[in-house]
Amino acid sequence: DTAVSQTPKYLVTQMGNDKSIKCEQNLGHDTMYWYKQDSKKFLKIMFSYNNKELIINETVPNRFSPKSPDKAHLNLHINSLELGDSAVYFCASSQDTGGSNQPQHFGDGTRLSIL
Amino acid sequence: GQQVMQIPQYQHVQEGEDFTTYCNSSTTLSNIQWYKQRPGGHPVFLIQLVKSGEVKKQKRLTFQFGEAKKNSSLHITATQTTDVGTYFCAGPRGAQKLVFGQGTRLTINP
Repeated sequence: DTAVSQTPKYLVTQMGNDKSIKCEQNLGHDTMYWYKQDSKKFLKIMFSYNNKELIINETVPNRFSPKSPDKAHLNLHINSLELGDSAVYFCASSQDTGGSNQPQHFGDGTRLSIL
Repeated sequence: GQQVMQIPQYQHVQEGEDFTTYCNSSTTLSNIQWYKQRPGGHPVFLIQLVKSGEVKKQKRLTFQFGEAKKNSSLHITATQTTDVGTYFCAGPRGAQKLVFGQGTRLTINP
């Protein structure tokens, strides 16, 4: 009964490939996020959706495209993977639109390695 | 834009010693949150501070929010090996976004 679950946990792929990461939360939260954590552990917001609507879109290459089919799911598709995309990608959720005033619940992360 | 600076970046202590990490913001914060990330794990919410001068305790962990609501600290008394990990503070930027500090990585010599 994991609260925020991401798949896959590990992703090793070649440069230039396209890949997707899936995220699901069973907390009944309205808002979901994608974060990127680099090798120095710096956590940076990429996207946020509230009830399937995009509310945060940081300066991220347009090779990254989030999709939220419903408020419990937020997927991340990455086209033409580059070496610099190697990182850990975390999905998170929070209860409502006041995301900066609510605790965020993180998934286990997807460790993406580009060869 | 609003930044949240956290120091030190690394801290190595002997088991049983105390540990403190500090967080500073360039602007007044409506609240500050603290998270812990174990090695190989994901960030886990610890606490949220809202009031000026607020102090909260969780067992050996003491969290403080500055009077001006621009700084915060996390102090761990008598560290144990289970305290190993990276501690992040996070402050709001607007209504939607949390900005995380760079984190303080705590390692402990048993």
